[in-house]
Amino acid sequence: QQQVKQSPQSLIVQKGGISIINCAYENTAFDYFPWYQQFPGKGPALLIAIRPDVSEKKEGRFTISFNKSAKQFSLHIMDSQPGDSATYFCAEFYNQGGKLIFGQGTELSVKP
Amino acid sequence: EPEVTQTPSHQVTQMGQEVILRCVPISNHLYFYWYRQILGQKVEFLVSFYNNEISEKSEIFDDQFSVERPDGSNFTLKIRSTKLEDSAMYFCASRPDTYEQYFGPGTRLTVT
Repeated sequence: QQQVKQSPQSLIVQKGGISIINCAYENTAFDYFPWYQQFPGKGPALLIAIRPDVSEKKEGRFTISFNKSAKQFSLHIMDSQPGDSATYFCAEFYNQGGKLIFGQGTELSVKP
Repeated sequence: EPEVTQTPSHQVTQMGQEVILRCVPISNHLYFYWYRQILGQKVEFLVSFYNNEISEKSEIFDDQFSVERPDGSNFTLKIRSTKLEDSAMYFCASRPDTYEQYFGPGTRLTVT
């Protein structure tokens, strides 16, 4: 069974700080790694994604770092803002059928 | 900006009743998915649908579940005889012929 291990389960960061969320995967059949942001009562929204042939991708304050040899990838949120407070899910795109396998989620709280 | 829509936003039903959850995927998308999220837990894959047939289904997607794309725009999930443990948020998602998968706002299903 495919698994994605995400940590930490919850994270409290001060406004302006850096939020870091980590994920580890097992199956090398994955070839696309998105991060989703979810606010309470809403659906997951695609935030940023990376292919395994790239070690880093940056979009505004959000950066994904990818370590293929360690089978790990992480989301960095620079200059964290209270509006970033949400649950973040890493995911892996399983190429057969295109389903997403999600991590357990990280509840981020950014304090003013 | 095109988005995935879902109706109803909240459905309350009695155990043993049939429910149909409806989704309108983004119009030029080719792949369609249903996921569910039990309160406070991760998003779980249920089924993927492509070219008018199921391409993959999870262990959760047993004989009580079915999907249909009755016309060119709607995509439905039917649960034939609901159980208490079917209570969850159900998300529809779609994607074009690329990796990016877009989620709807979800239907909260409450089985009493």
